[in-house]
Amino acid sequence: QQQVKQSPQSLIVQKGGISIINCAYENTAFDYFPWYQQFPGKGPALLIAIRPDVSEKKEGRFTISFNKSAKQFSLHIMDSQPGDSATYFCAAKGRTGRRALTFGSGTRLQVQP
Amino acid sequence: GAGVSQSPSNKVTEKGKDVELRCDPISGHTALYWYRQSLGQGLEFLIYFQGNSAPDKSGLPSDRFSAERTGGSVSTLTIQRTQQEDSAVYLCASKEYLGDEAFFGQGTRLTVV
Repeated sequence: QQQVKQSPQSLIVQKGGISIINCAYENTAFDYFPWYQQFPGKGPALLIAIRPDVSEKKEGRFTISFNKSAKQFSLHIMDSQPGDSATYFCAAKGRTGRRALTFGSGTRLQVQP
Repeated sequence: GAGVSQSPSNKVTEKGKDVELRCDPISGHTALYWYRQSLGQGLEFLIYFQGNSAPDKSGLPSDRFSAERTGGSVSTLTIQRTQQEDSAVYLCASKEYLGDEAFFGQGTRLTVV
């Protein structure tokens, strides 16, 4: 019930293309769904986050789409740039039970020039 | 302002030795987390501290692992009798009590030889 499943494991996108990463969860008590971006040798940093009361959140080129009934959420990176090349983690957290973020396994994104 | 600081950045130790990893959270953050990131893997929750409450130790993989947080600030993760499978990056994160965003340090890369 604490698992968050993420796919794909790796993704190669051409510059200017759309990168899409998907996550699924089982615990209906989760109410906070962030995406973290991690560059080599650095700690993860929050990119964008959503709560289940909305179906979509957009910040610049980054959009989270959230499907509560399917218990799925995804990250879309529009106009992908080589500087977006990094590992992306989805995560989830609830207000009861374990208060720590549960992370997906990560997606290594490579944007080719 | 200063972010989450972890030391050392890298640690090489011999199998069977004990190691201590240190985390200095952001000032004023009452919540502190430890995660473990094995090569190419996601972030595995280890332990969570919140103020003066009893810590959530449910993620510690064995009794060789322990952590403490002194004075509600600095935290130390101790691994006793290290094994090769303990080799990983150990990440610390902190957040405000009512906040959602967790801020990560750059991690300590532990190598057990």
